[in-house]
Amino acid sequence: EVKLQQSGDELVRPGASVKISCKASGYTFTSYSMHWVKQRPGQGLEWIGAIIPIIDTTEYNQKFKGKATLTADKSSNTANMELSRLTSEDSAVYYCAITTTGYFDYWGQGVMVTVSS
Amino acid sequence: DIQMTQSPASLSASLGETVSIECLASEDIYSNLAWYQQKPGKSPQLLIYYASSLQDGVPSRFSGSESGTQYSLEINSLQPEDEGDYFCQQSYKFPYTFGAGTKLELK
Repeated sequence: EVKLQQSGDELVRPGASVKISCKASGYTFTSYSMHWVKQRPGQGLEWIGAIIPIIDTTEYNQKFKGKATLTADKSSNTANMELSRLTSEDSAVYYCAITTTGYFDYWGQGVMVTVSS
Repeated sequence: DIQMTQSPASLSASLGETVSIECLASEDIYSNLAWYQQKPGKSPQLLIYYASSLQDGVPSRFSGSESGTQYSLEINSLQPEDEGDYFCQQSYKFPYTFGAGTKLELK
């Protein structure tokens, strides 16, 4: 069974950074790209970017360049996203997801990041 | 970026009714469109991919269609568990983009 287990919710100070993880199981980690999606409270979905673990290649939404950094650890089947220089605009739920069909068919449970002093 | 204009923003319908949600792409996306359902506090779930292919395990009362750059999700014979938010998403070109969503409520 494919499972994407994300790390816990985070409360962070403005200006700080946060690293979110997504541990994959039930499939070969290097077989599919790992995507990240942002959802602000009561709002729609935004694609942040993706990483192809087998070749460590990333693709970013221009909007999130400089904000998000995607990495993958093949030894632990874990994808990570670091968000830097956090502001209130970054308060959101962040999902990891994979695309075995070309579409987001498996999702993590989401991590809520709250930016507050 | 490809804009996905989704309508309506909200919808209220009765049990057993048929409803339709639309997404208009700002350019041709060659059927590279998916529909997702999201329940409160949960992750989105894939319903339809490549415009009209039903994801495994999704009830057949869900269907997708297309006409040019206009894509539609139809839900027949509404059930209580169909309440939730629905999003379209194009996967033709980076950055992938989503519609703003439709909130479906049962009367």
